[in-house]
Amino acid sequence: QQQVKQSPQSLIVQKGGISIINCAYENTAFDYFPWYQQFPGKGPALLIAIRPDVSEKKEGRFTISFNKSAKQFSLHIMDSQPGDSATYFCAASTKTGANNLFFGTGTRLTVIP
Amino acid sequence: DAGVTQSPTHLIKTRGQHVTLRCSPISGHKSVSWYQQVLGQGPQFIFQYYEKEERGRGNFPDRFSARQFPNYSSELNVNALLLGDSALYLCASSLGLASPKGQFFGPGTRLTVL
Repeated sequence: QQQVKQSPQSLIVQKGGISIINCAYENTAFDYFPWYQQFPGKGPALLIAIRPDVSEKKEGRFTISFNKSAKQFSLHIMDSQPGDSATYFCAASTKTGANNLFFGTGTRLTVIP
Repeated sequence: DAGVTQSPTHLIKTRGQHVTLRCSPISGHKSVSWYQQVLGQGPQFIFQYYEKEERGRGNFPDRFSARQFPNYSSELNVNALLLGDSALYLCASSLGLASPKGQFFGPGTRLTVL
């Protein structure tokens, strides 16, 4: 059973546009929600993470929105660039920073110049 | 600073064989976790080791085993390989058992089982 559900599976965005990726979870014990970026042939790299005590976190062009009551969180990439083209994974764990991460199935983002 | 390193980069084995994958964590990191990433899917947690002890295990059969050495490097062993074991095996390191700054992943070992 997929503990973290992610959509869409793939996404095509024009340069300068906003990319939005959504995730949902059921386990209310999750309290750490990171997003990872993965380029072909590379391991996932931590992009940004949020705890459930805040509803939004912004780092540069990347923003996480978190809705605790709906058990949903999303990644927004503002001013998307061709260099952002990669696969993005949401994840969750039951202890902040804990190493047993449950990953979503990934979203392949393509940013068209 | 060097990141997480893994060896080998690629590996081809046949069904029934065993394989050993190696991981060196970032200097100062004491926790190593292993993940399996099947093509087109997100990584799945296999093991976590901290201070040479197993601290977590995912839903994988006993054919999978691991250990951590005094220098915090780690090995993942898989016995009696099946075709379904073909995947990218990722190692991730972190400072401690539950690190607020998260885990750092290596580039992975691509295992192909024929």
